[in-house]
Amino acid sequence: AQSVTQLGSHVSVSEGALVLLRCNYSSSVPPYLFWYVQYPNQGLQLLLKYTSAATLVKGINGFEAEFKKSETSFHLTKPSAHMSDAAEYFCAVSVRDMGRRALTFGSGTRLQVQP
Amino acid sequence: GAVVSQHPSRVICKSGTSVKIECRSLDFQATTMFWYRQFPKQSLMLMATSNEGSKATYEQGVEKDKFLINHASLTLSTLTVTSAHPEDSSFYICSARGRGATEAFFGQGTRLTVV
Repeated sequence: AQSVTQLGSHVSVSEGALVLLRCNYSSSVPPYLFWYVQYPNQGLQLLLKYTSAATLVKGINGFEAEFKKSETSFHLTKPSAHMSDAAEYFCAVSVRDMGRRALTFGSGTRLQVQP
Repeated sequence: GAVVSQHPSRVICKSGTSVKIECRSLDFQATTMFWYRQFPKQSLMLMATSNEGSKATYEQGVEKDKFLINHASLTLSTLTVTSAHPEDSSFYICSARGRGATEAFFGQGTRLTVV
């Protein structure tokens, strides 16, 4: 079974500041890991994914995440926050042999960006 | 990325009536579709997994007679909420994945309000 823990349900940063959203996973087999963003009343948009290639993954909108097996982490970062980054962010995990398996989502982190 | 279209985006219905939500993959064949429910300020909870041409697999605690899922073709899955009650009011999101794909794409979500 897999699980995801997102530390911090709310994160607030100033515009231009570093964004760090934390995600730790638990999986009995090598995982696939994802970060999604959700804007109000909308579905989820994939920011980036780790599927066993490079451990540092670059995504859209300037976001990146690093897979650290020793720490079972997949934290999301962005060097400089923009007002448009304010949204809900979800970390998700799945197994490599996905077959028909769904993603397991974390509880989400709401990012606020202060002017 | 691939596009998943979910319709309607918003629906209000009377208690006791049924509502159908459609999820279409527009430019790929979705061998597997997932239906999620999201309560306000919470994460996505998997309701069921459907594979084209076979019965859906429901998660524990989800009433299959209340939430009818049909996946009749490789591009369309429907979720019907039967005899809806106010407690069924929620945000419903579908996602679709093609054969062998590592990524699932999400619809825009449907806000259901039962009055």
